[in-house]
Parts: sequence; structure tokens; C-alpha cells
Amino acid sequence: DAGITQSPRYKITETGRQVTLMCHQTWSHSYMFWYRQDLGHGLRLIYYSAAADITDKGEVPDGYVVSRSKTENFPLTLESATRSQTSVYFCASSEGQGRTFGSGTQLSVL
Amino acid sequence: GIQVEQSPPDLILQEGANSTLRCNFSDSVNNLQWFHQNPWGQLINLFYIPSGTKQNGRLSATTVATERYSLLYISSSQTTDSGVYFCAVTYSGAGSYQLTFGKGTKLSVIP
Repeated sequence: DAGITQSPRYKITETGRQVTLMCHQTWSHSYMFWYRQDLGHGLRLIYYSAAADITDKGEVPDGYVVSRSKTENFPLTLESATRSQTSVYFCASSEGQGRTFGSGTQLSVL
Repeated sequence: GIQVEQSPPDLILQEGANSTLRCNFSDSVNNLQWFHQNPWGQLINLFYIPSGTKQNGRLSATTVATERYSLLYISSSQTTDSGVYFCAVTYSGAGSYQLTFGKGTKLSVIP
């Protein structure tokens, strides 16, 4: 199906573990983004990518790593998860200025 | 950075009523989008509207860039309109793809 898909939908992990959130889009959009949504802060940009092999930091990049070896995939890795990274994570893609979001991944770090 | 303020923060409507949601921004913007986050958490793109007026069914939006505000109109509201409505902008002072969100308007439509 065409669109942008995130996996997993829900994830529970423990502090110190590595976890990777997946994002896949079928439109061949150049730009992809990762946001986190927290109460009181709204949506904040973690990282974005302008094309394959090009990534840049957003507002809250600390503790996260991204890669973009293929245009359609943009995984987000928490190398050593902390409780403060408990959040809902949204991936988005764009060609031009409008942005389309995935369904989100709810991550709990215990 | 730019400030994006949405009003009202909460709104309760009877089904069938009309409503207007407002988004004010503190600086010139390149782009503006309205999103609906439904009760299941999904973010749905409603309008990409840096200026002018657009309509899509019962929803319409107007952005007056020179006066730094945008309005989202919902007519004949339905319970499925419930959720949080976000305004988000990009502006010259940040990277052109840095989308800044307002805190949202939480809409509850009761039957």
C-alpha cells in the first residue's frame, strides 16, 4: 500500500537498551523527518533528512541516531534508552513543503 | 524563534454546530499547515495553506499572511471531528524544513 508506515506501533523497553524505530515511505519523497510528541511540548523535531545519506539535527537530537541508506527508509535508533525518551514518535515525509505523517510509535522506557 | 499560538485551547460543541479555530504567529512564515490528530493519535494533514483560502468539504481554512494569522472553519460538526487541531509553520529564521507546531486546540463534539 502506498503511504508512510511506522513500526512497531507499540514498544516497551528497559533503560540502557538499544531500540530502533522503523519508518518506510512509498512515495520516493526526498525529505523525511522524526518528531517526538510529549504533553506540554507538542511535537518537536529530532532529526531530518534531505535525501539518502544526508541527515541533520533538529531541535532535540541528543540520545538519537538516524541513518538513510535508501530514500524510502529512515530508521531512528535510541542507542541507550532513558526514561526521558518515553514518548510518541512520529515519522513524516515531504516533497515540497507539505508534510505527511505516519501513525506513530508509542515507546515506553521502564 | 517563532511563536505559534492557537485559540481556544479547548472547545466543546454540540453536533451540528459550527466553529472557528485560530492560529496566530509572531513572524513571517513561508508555509502553514493544519493537522487533525484523531483520538487514536493519528496526525492527518488537513490543509497546506501559506496564504489564501481553501475548502475541503465541511472544512475550510484562510491564512492572512500579512496579518500573521490563520483560521480553520468547521461547519456542521460531527463526532468524528473530535480530536486536537494543530497549526504548524515554517519560517525564514529557521531551516526551511523546520516545522514549528502550536500547542493545539482540543475539540470535543458531543451528540
